[in-house]
Amino acid sequence: GNSVTQMEGPVTLSEEAFLTINCTYTATGYPSLFWYVQYPGEGLQLLLKATKADDKGSNKGFEATYRKETTSFHLEKGSVQVSDSAVYFCALGDNYGQNFVFGPGTRLSVLP
Amino acid sequence: ETGVTQSPTHLIKTRGQQVTLRCSSQSGHNTVSWYQQALGQGPQFIFQYYREEENGRGNFPPRFSGLQFPNYSSELNVNALELDDSALYLCASSLDPGTNTEAFFGQGTRLTVV
Repeated sequence: GNSVTQMEGPVTLSEEAFLTINCTYTATGYPSLFWYVQYPGEGLQLLLKATKADDKGSNKGFEATYRKETTSFHLEKGSVQVSDSAVYFCALGDNYGQNFVFGPGTRLSVLP
Repeated sequence: ETGVTQSPTHLIKTRGQQVTLRCSSQSGHNTVSWYQQALGQGPQFIFQYYREEENGRGNFPPRFSGLQFPNYSSELNVNALELDDSALYLCASSLDPGTNTEAFFGQGTRLTVV
């Protein structure tokens, strides 16, 4: 079945550092790929998405490129801020299905 | 602000009891999905309702059941609660089924079973 693997956390960075959170997936067919963010005490918010191979999703300085050859969708940001501290979830969605399959999440802490 | 509201925000129940969680979908959305998020894990799909009918189910036992009402709000019912049911329960509403339509998540209901 479909599954998502993310790098283990927590990840602790200093403000303005470069961020990479690795995500790989296993899926049949051609899934869409997503990054969701969960701030403390809140639900999930869509950060970015890509619906086909080689698409790049971007939002708020975050980027991720859908790499079919490596089945990856790594999240990157060039310069993190304290306000980026949250839990980040990689997810896939089957275009013919109705639900998301989430990874276990990666907790990011950014120190001033 | 997503417009998806869940109630209650926190709940404590005893093993063996029954619980009902509620979700009001965003205006205009006809699809509600429920997810269980255990501590330190990613959300897991329970089921989805589309226009008042169940439209898919994850790997959860029948004691997890649901309803969707004509106004598209939804309930999640769990019978015979077990300690492992302790989790954050998230609902997500979307304009239509399928993950190409953006889903908006509520803040969740934190259920503790003792």
